[in-house]
Amino acid sequence: AQKVTQAQTEISVVEKEDVTLDCVYETRDTTYYLFWYKQPPSGELVFLIRRNSFDEQNEISGRYSWNFQKSTSSFNFTITASQVVDSAVYFCALKVNNNNDMRFGAGTRLTVKP
Amino acid sequence: DAMVIQNPRYQVTQFGKPVTLSCSQTLNHNVMYWYQQKSSQAPKLLFHYYDKDFNNEADTPDNFQSRRPNTSFCFLDIRSPGLGDAAMYLCATSRGGISGNTEAFFGQGTRLTVV
Repeated sequence: AQKVTQAQTEISVVEKEDVTLDCVYETRDTTYYLFWYKQPPSGELVFLIRRNSFDEQNEISGRYSWNFQKSTSSFNFTITASQVVDSAVYFCALKVNNNNDMRFGAGTRLTVKP
Repeated sequence: DAMVIQNPRYQVTQFGKPVTLSCSQTLNHNVMYWYQQKSSQAPKLLFHYYDKDFNNEADTPDNFQSRRPNTSFCFLDIRSPGLGDAAMYLCATSRGGISGNTEAFFGQGTRLTVV
């Protein structure tokens, strides 16, 4: 069975602080795919990144960076120099090979205060 | 332009009165999903279509049904809505295939209120 755990329910930071959102996953499949989505107050889930299990390279996209570590089954997301517009709920999700189901973690609500 | 469109954005229905939520897509994706998201919770997968193949989650109540008449449209039917069915319903699409190596694209959701 697949499972995604986001232990941080809520995080509050002040603008310009760096913040890391944790994601730990469980799967017995050797081929799987991890995702991060952002859900702003409007409700639409916005895709941020996909990472394949056989590619452990970290990725940076502007102020966003992701750290994928298979040894600890983690796929953490860091926002550098946070901004008020980053305030949203962030979800980590998992899909396994040969299966179209996407399983979400419980989400982390990030509030960035001015 | 929106690629996954859900109508209506807000739906109010009476307890026990059948209601249908609709979703359309312009991406020509072969997989369409329906998720239920209650307040402050993760989206919960109800079912998905891979082309015309319907895949129901084991814990999805029989009260929830779905139809996919063609690639572009998918409907969620709630036969007898209860107060516990009040939630945001999210439709998503993805390019399905042998691998799961594709992200899902979500609509803006339909917020269902049951009175």
